[in-house]
Amino acid sequence: AQSVTQLGSHVSVSEGALVLLRCNYSSSVPPYLFWYVQYPNQGLQLLLKYTSAATLVKGINGFEAEFKKSETSFHLTKPSAHMSDAAEYFCAVTPHSTLTFGKGTMLLVSP
Amino acid sequence: GAGVSQTPSNKVTEKGKYVELRCDPISGHTALYWYRQSLGQGPEFLIYFQGTGAADDSGLPNDRFFAVRPEGSVSTLKIQRTERGDSAVYLCASSLGSGAGANVLTFGAGSRLTVL
Repeated sequence: AQSVTQLGSHVSVSEGALVLLRCNYSSSVPPYLFWYVQYPNQGLQLLLKYTSAATLVKGINGFEAEFKKSETSFHLTKPSAHMSDAAEYFCAVTPHSTLTFGKGTMLLVSP
Repeated sequence: GAGVSQTPSNKVTEKGKYVELRCDPISGHTALYWYRQSLGQGPEFLIYFQGTGAADDSGLPNDRFFAVRPEGSVSTLKIQRTERGDSAVYLCASSLGSGAGANVLTFGAGSRLTVL
């Protein structure tokens, strides 16, 4: 069985500040890991995906995430937040067929 | 179509009524997934189709929930005798091949169900 824990239901940053959204996973087999973003009234959009090819994964909109097996973590970062980054972010894991999502972290960006 | 289309976008019904939610996947996508997202929660897996057959229905909460995909394209999620606890956004996703690990899921905007 697999599961995902996202620490912090809300994260607030100032525009231009570092964004760090935390995700820890558990999986009985080597996992695939994902970050999705959800804007209001829109579908989930894939930000990036880890497939074991490289531990540092670069995604869209300047986001990246690093897979750390020893810490069972897959934290999402962005060096400089933009107002347009305000949304809800979901970490997800799968060994193969279906995704298991975390509860989500709402990112709030203030001017 | 260009994306995954879900109808209706909003549905308000009364407790005990029957509801159908429709999902139109991206043309050519063989895998189709249904998820449910309750307020303040992440999406929760319901059922996954590969072609016409349900490859995994372990997430359906009880026998009031049923889904079909008779021709391997459009899918309908059916909820009988709706309860207030069924209120949620129902998300559909599709992918080119089977397995969420090896394939990218594209999600629709969801159908918001409110049971009064």
